[in-house]
Amino acid sequence: RKEVEQDPGPFNVPEGATVAFNCTYSNSASQSFFWYRQDCRKEPKLLMSVYSSGNEDGRFTAQLNRASQYISLLIRDSKLSDSATYLCVVPASYNQGGKLIFGQGTELSVKP
Amino acid sequence: IAGITQAPTSQILAAGRRMTLRCTQDMRHNAMYWYRQDLGLGLRLIHYSNTAGTTGKGEVPDGYSVSRANTDDFPLPLASAVPSQTSVYFCASSDSDETGEQFFGPGTRLTVL
Repeated sequence: RKEVEQDPGPFNVPEGATVAFNCTYSNSASQSFFWYRQDCRKEPKLLMSVYSSGNEDGRFTAQLNRASQYISLLIRDSKLSDSATYLCVVPASYNQGGKLIFGQGTELSVKP
Repeated sequence: IAGITQAPTSQILAAGRRMTLRCTQDMRHNAMYWYRQDLGLGLRLIHYSNTAGTTGKGEVPDGYSVSRANTDDFPLPLASAVPSQTSVYFCASSDSDETGEQFFGPGTRLTVL
């Protein structure tokens, strides 16, 4: 099983829609999780951190289910500016070296 | 400068040539990282440095060797470039190797022919 796996994209949604992405992880010892946003041909930027059961920031809600080892990102009232690739990020397990493992990303396209 | 910068922005390099991807941050972050991003494979960690003078191997270190002489700079030398090193390279930094937020540079797009 890969350390982190995300929903395959792309997601094409109309403005105002609610969209959810799921991400599963394999390292049951992980304590912190993250969602990064990456715009086309740009660097990733932190969107949200998730340390307990979840986190909410405006239209964005991240939820964590430790028993099932998955994280979700919910975007309400989608805006055109939400179009980007969303990366699920988990801490690396010891034998992988390094610190964070990035998922391949889920592409979101919000249409007028 | 404010934040983290990389140079060059892009480069086309003949196989066998050498070059150094540069990365500089002015946030006094202890930890720095080098990633490569390839289509279908996502971001993968090449090497990291928890503090100046120390480095560690990431997920894909083969073909790359790094050192970190000071806090601000973390260069990625390519001694003899090969086509498989064609990729987008991102440098990142964080103020602690325990926190999750990493700040990324704008990336270097490298093509090795």
